[in-house]
Amino acid sequence: EVVLTQSPDTLSLSPGERATLSCRASQSLSSSYLAWYQQKPGQAPRLLIYGASSRATGIPDRFSGSGSGTDFTLTISRLEPEDFAVYYCQHYGSSPLTFGGGTKVEIK
Amino acid sequence: EVQLVESGGGLVKPGGSLRLSCAASGFTFSGPSMNWVRQAPGKGLEWVSSISSSGTYTYYADSVKGRITISRDNAKSSLFLQMSSLRAEDTAVYYCARGSGNYGAYYFDYWGQGTLVTVSS
Repeated sequence: EVVLTQSPDTLSLSPGERATLSCRASQSLSSSYLAWYQQKPGQAPRLLIYGASSRATGIPDRFSGSGSGTDFTLTISRLEPEDFAVYYCQHYGSSPLTFGGGTKVEIK
Repeated sequence: EVQLVESGGGLVKPGGSLRLSCAASGFTFSGPSMNWVRQAPGKGLEWVSSISSSGTYTYYADSVKGRITISRDNAKSSLFLQMSSLRAEDTAVYYCARGSGNYGAYYFDYWGQGTLVTVSS
């Protein structure tokens, strides 16, 4: 089973700042099978990134994903008020599919 | 517009059974895989089960294997999760999610709003 470790647990930033979220896998992910999701309180998750760096339909270009192997990053270039939420990474290269524990991006 | 609407959640006693449903619309249901992902109160996301487009292949998390059965009815654009021998640790919001990918390697591009399952005496 691939274990995903996200850091930090919480990121306190102001609107307009850059957010950098990390997701580290316990083993190398084949073909960069990594996705990122955003979840706001009381809402379902929303797909942001798949294939480590491909933006999902309708996702603003301030969201970008990078990385390969065991180290992946989600970057939000300039935080908008609606971006404060919890972010999860997910590996999908093999079963069982697993999620990281999440990073909460909160307003400083 | 893709829509996924879950139903069937509720309060059930430990050891009991429950059947969740997910009604899909806005896309060709027989095309993609379909999945269940759950979230315990205040916790993170946990993949539960996946089913291939035709229903031929099914996949389960170890935590639910032997107690849960995923199925689909492509003619009715519906996904199901039959849960039995429920435990307190199965308490969660259960999300139906459309999958993208192949052979169990799925990410989830559309999600329903979820249905709450509470296992308690």
